[in-house]
Amino acid sequence: EAGVVQSPRYKIIEKKQPVAFWCNPISGHNTLYWYRQNLGQGPELLIRYENEEAVDDSQLPKDRFSAERLKGVDSTLKIQPAELGDSAVYLCASSLVSGGDTEAFFGQGTRLTVV
Amino acid sequence: QKEVEQNSGPLSVPEGAIASLNCTYSDRVSQSFFWYRQYSGKSPELIMSIYSNGDKEDGRFTAQLNKASQYVSLLIRDSQPSDSATYLCAVNPNSGYSTLTFGKGTMLLVSP
Repeated sequence: EAGVVQSPRYKIIEKKQPVAFWCNPISGHNTLYWYRQNLGQGPELLIRYENEEAVDDSQLPKDRFSAERLKGVDSTLKIQPAELGDSAVYLCASSLVSGGDTEAFFGQGTRLTVV
Repeated sequence: QKEVEQNSGPLSVPEGAIASLNCTYSDRVSQSFFWYRQYSGKSPELIMSIYSNGDKEDGRFTAQLNKASQYVSLLIRDSQPSDSATYLCAVNPNSGYSTLTFGKGTMLLVSP
């Protein structure tokens, strides 16, 4: 079974430019997360989807970040315009929530460098 | 603010020794706990989950949970150089739909 797939793996952009990341979760997983991980830090949640609904986006910088999860499967995270401080690894994770507790599985991440 | 605290390390142990990684959390109502391993330049990989007080063993790994003390640990027996990585502790305050809060991770170095 394929894991969480993210693309691109690496992205270098100039500040003020837009950038988008794509995530395909594990088949059948209804919950999708976007995390950001800075060097030497643990992942920090940006947004969580339950199916198509964004149920926790309190940490998403909404002035420049946006996300969508069409048809409750793939998701896209966008930054426009990018700032130098946005350089980080953007991680997508998915889980299957069905009654009991759930375990989240991560994709390989997208390493963003803003210059 | 819900916090998960880990010693950043590095924790250095010789090959074959037991590595003990510790984590404390601030939210008393937390229900479930996870350990992820992250190799340099790679994404976090789930290695253990624990939901009730006590020990849970899986191969060379043992997770220990003490909710009264708000403490969770990971023991790695017979440590191998391939275990050298950063270990992230993650806490879920509620079952089901809630979101994991991660610590900063502890770097483990296992020397041959």
